[in-house]
Amino acid sequence: DAGVIQSPRHEVTEMGQEVTLRCKPISGHNSLFWYRQTMMRGLELLIYFNNNVPIDDSGMPEDRFSAKMPNASFSTLKIQPSEPRDSAVYFCATTPGASIPPTCGEQYFGPGTRLTVT
Amino acid sequence: KNQVEQSPQSLIILEGKNCTLQCNYTVSPFSNLRWYKQDTGRGPVSLTIMTFSENTKSNGRYTATLDADTKQSSLHITASQLSDSASYICVVRLSMEYGNKLVFGAGTILRVKS
Repeated sequence: DAGVIQSPRHEVTEMGQEVTLRCKPISGHNSLFWYRQTMMRGLELLIYFNNNVPIDDSGMPEDRFSAKMPNASFSTLKIQPSEPRDSAVYFCATTPGASIPPTCGEQYFGPGTRLTVT
Repeated sequence: KNQVEQSPQSLIILEGKNCTLQCNYTVSPFSNLRWYKQDTGRGPVSLTIMTFSENTKSNGRYTATLDADTKQSSLHITASQLSDSASYICVVRLSMEYGNKLVFGAGTILRVKS
């Protein structure tokens, strides 16, 4: 298995533009997490899905952020409109198993998308 | 307030030496504690996961300890190698009735020099 796949790996965009980050989970993994990482705040959980259903989006910073998981093999994180303070590395991670909520499942992280908003 | 504090912030050691990274947490009620290794430009990779009943867990040259009474954990790296240079992140999970939320430490940046 290729692991968690994220695209693009790097994104540079201007303030106000829409940004869409993509994630393909490991096949068979039922839980998917979106994280944001910055030097100042470290890793932050934004939202997670279980069996394609959003379970907890309390980490989503504001309405400009939205995430979808239309099927078991694809998820998107969208920022509209983007702002310079959104610059960060965004990670997608997945976990095998369908327990709700996820318990001790090992999380497998993708390589991340480095977003720069100018 | 649920917090995870790691020390030191950064560390430089010579190849072959041992080192210990610390993690203190105030997260309660506790479900499990994980240590992740994050290489530069890569996503975190899990090293160990421990529940409150486990005192120690090893993964090769990495040994994690947990004292649930004092709410302290450590990650000991034996005979360090250049490839150990990375950020090490301590993550504590709240118990199920609190939504299994994860609380992340800021990480310790380790650099191993030859």
